Amino acid sequence: SAVISQKPSRDICQRGTSLTIQCQVDSQVTMMFWYRQQPGQSLTLIATANQGSEATYESGFVIDKFPISRPNLTFSTLTVSNMSPEDSSIYLCSVEAWTGGKAFFGQGTRLTVV
Amino acid sequence: DAKTTQPTSMDCAEGRAANLPCNHSTISGNEYVYWYRQIHSQGPQYIIHGLKNNETNEMASLIITEDRKSSTLILPHATLRDTAVYYCIVRVAGNTNAGKSTFGDGTTLTVKP
Repeated sequence: SAVISQKPSRDICQRGTSLTIQCQVDSQVTMMFWYRQQPGQSLTLIATANQGSEATYESGFVIDKFPISRPNLTFSTLTVSNMSPEDSSIYLCSVEAWTGGKAFFGQGTRLTVV
Repeated sequence: DAKTTQPTSMDCAEGRAANLPCNHSTISGNEYVYWYRQIHSQGPQYIIHGLKNNETNEMASLIITEDRKSSTLILPHATLRDTAVYYCIVRVAGNTNAGKSTFGDGTTLTVKP
């Protein structure tokens, strides 16, 4: 299994500002994944973060809005830039186990933009 | 990844078995069936997965039909703490996009006293 720590767990931010979310894993993993869960909705994949290369973004998500860093095999950050109230969501970090394809998730960052 | 269809919501009496169905009629031969659940305000939690054989672990059992077009997650003795949204996902394991899961709307299971 993998233990994932996300910081902050929640935040309230002013529109127009940016927030950086940190994701720390207790073991080395090749890929890390960032999801968004809007209120009352299911999870939507934002991007895949590979160590040593640029993140791969899903349709509808762009690097300027959600820049991602992946400096090593246990850590990643997601920045939500120039926030608006529509960005109010839970943001989740995920990794996959080496075997079996199980995914593990952090507890999420609950973001409210006012 | 194949699309899945789940009922929007289900109720279950505490102590009884909860049977959650999932249809995945377009599943490919190399795609596994995964189940996760998300308890309110927490990150999703892995429950179980399988390819074609039935599987059981300490949390649940997974029954996959012979044609693999549908499956059922069974919680043998549901408790109030099992109240959550349950997601059925089908995807290939261990490929270059491993971990890239497509979440549908899931089934909201409510366990009642």
